[in-house]
Amino acid sequence: GAGVSQSPSNKVTEKGKDVELRCDPISGHTALYWYRQSLGQGLEFLIYFQGNSAPDKSGLPSDRFSAERTGGSVSTLTIQRTQQEDSAVYLCASSPIAGGSTDTQYFGPGTRLTVL
Amino acid sequence: GNSVTQMEGPVTLSEEAFLTINCTYTATGYPSLFWYVQYPGEGLQLLLKATKADDKGSNKGFEATYRKETTSFHLEKGSVQVSDSAVYFCALSDQGSNYKLTFGKGTLLTVNP
Repeated sequence: GAGVSQSPSNKVTEKGKDVELRCDPISGHTALYWYRQSLGQGLEFLIYFQGNSAPDKSGLPSDRFSAERTGGSVSTLTIQRTQQEDSAVYLCASSPIAGGSTDTQYFGPGTRLTVL
Repeated sequence: GNSVTQMEGPVTLSEEAFLTINCTYTATGYPSLFWYVQYPGEGLQLLLKATKADDKGSNKGFEATYRKETTSFHLEKGSVQVSDSAVYFCALSDQGSNYKLTFGKGTLLTVNP
């Protein structure tokens, strides 16, 4: 079946512009996670959705970052007024439920964001 | 809080050599443990996992055993191939952290023919 998809695969933007990154999880997966992969920081958690609600936003680095999820499916990560330190690969993962024996997370290919 | 420490790379081996990548963890609860792999130009893929103490995860000739007494989950393979060249990430998740993954910094493995 279809895996997690993300778009765009690459995004180049100028400092100060806003960007939107999209994630389509595996159909039926209720848990959705955003992570960021950068050379300096490794893989970092950003935000977790269970259905449409986000009970854990503890990894969002600043109030310039926000995310939403609609219909228990597609999620959008928005970065406002981008800075050069936002340059990274943004990864989305989904799992059937959060926790228990089915807590394997399946990752999308990522969006490579470059802020000039 | 949770943390994962894994062997720093890079690791370079010849084909058919034995591989060990060390991973230790700190967690407040009873975590599940994972090894993810990232092949060149590809996304993260789950390699194997173990959800409770003494469980052994295995896949593609790789193995790792969940050792609660030493808080470790070392990755091993008896005979590596060139196609195993990739970055390997150890990770954990637990209920207390909403099952978000905490990753180690990754180990780059290069296998030469």
